[in-house]
Amino acid sequence: AQSVSQHNHHVILSEAASLELGCNYSYGGTVNLFWYVQYPGQHLQLLLKYFSGDPLVKGIKGFEAEFIKSKFSFNLRKPSVQWSDTAEYFCAVNRGGGADGLTFGKGTHLIIQP
Amino acid sequence: GAGVSQSPRYKVAKRGQDVALRCDPISGHVSLFWYQQALGQGPEFLTYFQNEAQLDKSGLPSDRFFAERPEGSVSTLKIQRTQQEDSAVYLCASSSDRSDTQYFGPGTRLTVL
Repeated sequence: AQSVSQHNHHVILSEAASLELGCNYSYGGTVNLFWYVQYPGQHLQLLLKYFSGDPLVKGIKGFEAEFIKSKFSFNLRKPSVQWSDTAEYFCAVNRGGGADGLTFGKGTHLIIQP
Repeated sequence: GAGVSQSPRYKVAKRGQDVALRCDPISGHVSLFWYQQALGQGPEFLTYFQNEAQLDKSGLPSDRFFAERPEGSVSTLKIQRTQQEDSAVYLCASSSDRSDTQYFGPGTRLTVL
């Protein structure tokens, strides 16, 4: 079975600071990797995804993530955060070929102070 | 286009009552997933449909939970004899095929008193 670990449950940053949220997964086979975001009062939205190819993935709103297979990691980054990035961020994985549901981490609550 | 919709958005049930939660997936999406999200946790997989076939129900926590998608479109998650531990947000997601991105609905927040 897969599992996903997000290292930071709560992160507080000031505007313009750089962001990196850690995500590690455990699964020996081919995986699809996702970051979802949930803004206050809104539903889960896809931020970015990795299926195959270039391990550096760019998503919406200036976010990017890098898949490092040897480290089983898929960390999320943004060079300069904005107040509007305040949200809950979830890393998720499913098997490559995706016949099963997503396994999510517990989430990181990000607060950006103006 | 319209996204995934769920109803009701909020449901309060007394312990022991049966509840039914509805999901309308994105039109044409063949895959449909149900998840349970407890407070402060990430979503946990419950069950998966491809069209009308329920291909995986390994995440359903007990036999009180039942899901159906009889015509391969709308799906209903039914919980019988609700318990306090069933209190959670129930999320539905759909995708165009089994290996594609899942798009989530707003969820139904179930509170069992």
